[in-house]
Amino acid sequence: EAGVTQFPSHSVIEKGQTVTLRCDPISGHDNLYWYRRVMGKEIKFLLHFVKESKQDESGMPNNRFLAERTGGTYSTLKVQPAELEDSGVYFCASSPDPRGEQYFGPGTRLTVT
Amino acid sequence: RKEVEQDPGPFNVPEGATVAFNCTYSNSASQSFFWYRQDCRKEPKLLMSVYSSGNEDGRFTAQLNRASQYISLLIRDSKLSDSATYLCAARMNTGFQKLVFGTGTRLLVSP
Repeated sequence: EAGVTQFPSHSVIEKGQTVTLRCDPISGHDNLYWYRRVMGKEIKFLLHFVKESKQDESGMPNNRFLAERTGGTYSTLKVQPAELEDSGVYFCASSPDPRGEQYFGPGTRLTVT
Repeated sequence: RKEVEQDPGPFNVPEGATVAFNCTYSNSASQSFFWYRQDCRKEPKLLMSVYSSGNEDGRFTAQLNRASQYISLLIRDSKLSDSATYLCAARMNTGFQKLVFGTGTRLLVSP
């Protein structure tokens, strides 16, 4: 069974540019989560989708971040415009059940210069 | 105060040793707990889930102490391949399903 996949694996952009990250969850997993780890800090929750609906977006830092999951399959996370403090590793996780275990993708390492 | 706290380490142990990490949590509403293993520049990989008092899987044992609000991870007969960062995560089972992570504990197993 294929795991959670994320694209790109790395992205280097300049401040003010736009970047879109993509996550493909494990097939059949309705629950999709975005997390972020900035340098030296713990992994922090950004938001949770159940199918195409946002269940919890309490962790989204500000309105420069937009997450979508049209059709309830893959999800995108767009940062526009990017700021220096957005640098970090963005992880996606999925689970078949909101009370189940979450499986993480390899992450996208974002560097904003 | 952080919701989930871990000693960052590193814990340096020889092969074959037994090592234990603790993780404390501040939110008494937390119901489920997880230990993830993370290798350098890789994703967290689920090691163990702890829903009640504890769990055991081979050389790994996790125990939950709700009264003192901590969970522990015990690794017996350490292998070189156990070297990694061990992340503790807590989740409330009502309402929001997000995981709250600690910063991780680094383990180095030497020959």
